Parts: sequence; C-alpha cells; structure tokens
Amino acid sequence: DGGITQSPKYLFRKEGQNVTLSCEQNLNHDAMYWYRQDPGQGLRLIYYSQIVNDFQKGDIAEGYSVSREKKESFPLTVTSAQKNPTAFYLCASIAGLAGPRGTGELFFGEGSRLTVL
Amino acid sequence: AQSVTQPDIHITVSEGASLELRCNYSYGATPYLFWYVQSPGQGLQLLLKYFSGDTLVQGIKGFEAEFKRSQSSFNLRKPSVHWSDAAEYFCAVGIRYGGSQGNLIFGKGTKLSVKP
Repeated sequence: DGGITQSPKYLFRKEGQNVTLSCEQNLNHDAMYWYRQDPGQGLRLIYYSQIVNDFQKGDIAEGYSVSREKKESFPLTVTSAQKNPTAFYLCASIAGLAGPRGTGELFFGEGSRLTVL
Repeated sequence: AQSVTQPDIHITVSEGASLELRCNYSYGATPYLFWYVQSPGQGLQLLLKYFSGDTLVQGIKGFEAEFKRSQSSFNLRKPSVHWSDAAEYFCAVGIRYGGSQGNLIFGKGTKLSVKP
C-alpha cells in the first residue's frame, strides 16, 4: 500500500543535540512538506519541497534544516538552534500543486513526537 | 493575506445529535477548501474538498460541507454524530499558484468531544 512513513514515532533529545526525523513516501508525489503542530496552534509550515534538490522555507524555518536528494525522501533535522523543539511533527506530500494540475489533497504520515529533556 | 479561522476551539455534542463546525477564510480569489480530521497522536485524513461546481460537497464518514462565497465560509456538518467522530477537525484553504506558505493554510482546529 502506498503511503508516507515517518520515523521514529517518538524521540527524546537532550538540549544541544541535533536530531533528524525521517519521512519516506512511495506515492510518487512531487511535493513534500514538514509541519509542526503544537496544542491550540494548528499546523505551521516549516519547510516544503516541490522538486528534488529544491526546497523552500515555510513560516517557522528557523532552527530547522531539510534536504531533498531523492523524490521519495524528505528528512527534517531539528538543530540545537531551535529554542523550543518539543512538538509533534507531521510530514505530508501532494501529487501536485493545489491548483489545476493537482488534486489538492495532502497525504500525511502518522507523525513524530519529539521531546527535549 | 490568506487566513483560515475556526471560531470554536472545543465543541461537545451528544451522540446522535447534529454537528456543525464553522470555518471562515480570507482569500482574494476562489479558494480550494478542505476539511481534515485528526485522531489523537495520528496524522491528518482528508474528509472532503471543494474545488468548483456544486457548493455542497459530500465526504467520507457521512460528513458534508457547504461553500458559501458571500459569507466566506465552508462549514462542516453531520446529521448524526457517532462516538467515533471524537477528534480534532481542521479546515484548510489551498493557494492556487503556490507561494511561500506551501499551498495549504490551516485553521487552528476544533476539537470535538462526543457525550454518550
């Protein structure tokens, strides 16, 4: 079955450490996204990538980094520069843009919960 | 700037009662509109979407939503709520031609609790 796989589901980090969250999709989707979710805040966009080897900052990119070396993979690194990294992180993909060329539907992984100790 | 407002943070309804979750958007053109549902600790699942045409759209799990351009609204409805509908619901607006916000802008969500 096609879908998006995020790992790990739970991750604990000490302050000052970088951690990388994995996101893999086998939907053959072009665009991939990382969102951060905090209680009562909805989803906030961290980074997105519409094609391989290209990515764009979202609204809250500071303290995060990404890469897109393969179409299927879009890992997110939470760096020590992120002041408040404890959150639920969601990866998503879309077949195309939210316009005439695409379905407009985002497919989500099951999320990764990061806790800083 | 584009935005989505879900005025109700938390709603509690009795099982079997009807439900309406409100969503208002701000966007300069005809939007693409979505409702997603999220169970605790899970990702989001698409309930329904509006692109064009009939303003009343049907979705999964017995949900429907009506696009009202004059009110900039896209409210979600269900005639009879089941206990399994307890979850958080997110309204989203799609930006047609990309942009810095990555195509979809989400509201902050409405948490639905269902009383037996």
